[in-house]
Amino acid sequence: GESVGLHLPTLSVQEGDNSIINCAYSNSASDYFIWYKQESGKGPQFIIDIRSNMDKRQGQRVTVLLNKTVKHLSLQIAATQPGDSAVYFCAEMFGNEKLTFGTGTRLTIIP
Amino acid sequence: GAVVSQHPSWVICKSGTSVKIECRSLDFQATTMFWYRQFPKQSLMLMATSNEGSKATYEQGVEKDKFLINHASLTLSTLTVTSAHPEDSSFYICSARVGLAGGTEQYFGPGTRLTVT
Repeated sequence: GESVGLHLPTLSVQEGDNSIINCAYSNSASDYFIWYKQESGKGPQFIIDIRSNMDKRQGQRVTVLLNKTVKHLSLQIAATQPGDSAVYFCAEMFGNEKLTFGTGTRLTIIP
Repeated sequence: GAVVSQHPSWVICKSGTSVKIECRSLDFQATTMFWYRQFPKQSLMLMATSNEGSKATYEQGVEKDKFLINHASLTLSTLTVTSAHPEDSSFYICSARVGLAGGTEQYFGPGTRLTVT
C-alpha cells in the first residue's frame, strides 16, 4: 500500500541552530499533510499542517514546505531549543480519510 | 480546547486476561475515533477506525475478535484487548476527529502503555 517515509532516522542539531527534517511520501493523490512531535511516553502533538494547494506554510518557529513535483515534505525548526528534542513524524491524508504516518526522525538538540 | 484523554495511562496484566482502554474527547464531540498501536522506536500503525453507533473498521492484519472496539457515544470509545499475550505489549494511542463536515482536525490522546506478563 501507500507509505510515507523519512530520509533520516536521527538528527542532531546544536542548540540555537536551525533544523530541517525531511519526509518523502508516495501517494501523489494525498491532499493534506501534517507534522507531529512526539515526546517519550506521550501521544503525538500537532505542530503544523499544509494542504496540497500550498507549497509553504509558516508557524511559530516552524515552517513546512511541500514539493508535490518530487513528493517531498520538510519541517524547518528555527533557533532550536532543548525542548525541541523529540521524534517527529510526518503524516499524509487523502480525501479526509485516515492518516498514514511516516517512520519518524529523532531530533536531538545538543546544548 | 480539543483535549483527548485516555485511561489508564499504563496497565500491567497477566497473559490470558483482558484489558479495556478508554478514550474520551473532553470538550468536543467526535464522530470518528481512531486507535493506533506503536511499538518501541516505531511509527504509529492504525488499528481501526470507529464511528459512533456503528461497527469499527479494522485495518488489514488486525484481529477484530481480539481487539474489540466500542464507540457508544460521541465522546467515548473503548478498546478491549482480549486474551492478551506478551506480544500485545505496546503503546496504544487513540485520536478523535472533530465532528465537522469535511473536517480533518484530529487530536491525539496521551497513550496507554500496556505490558502483558
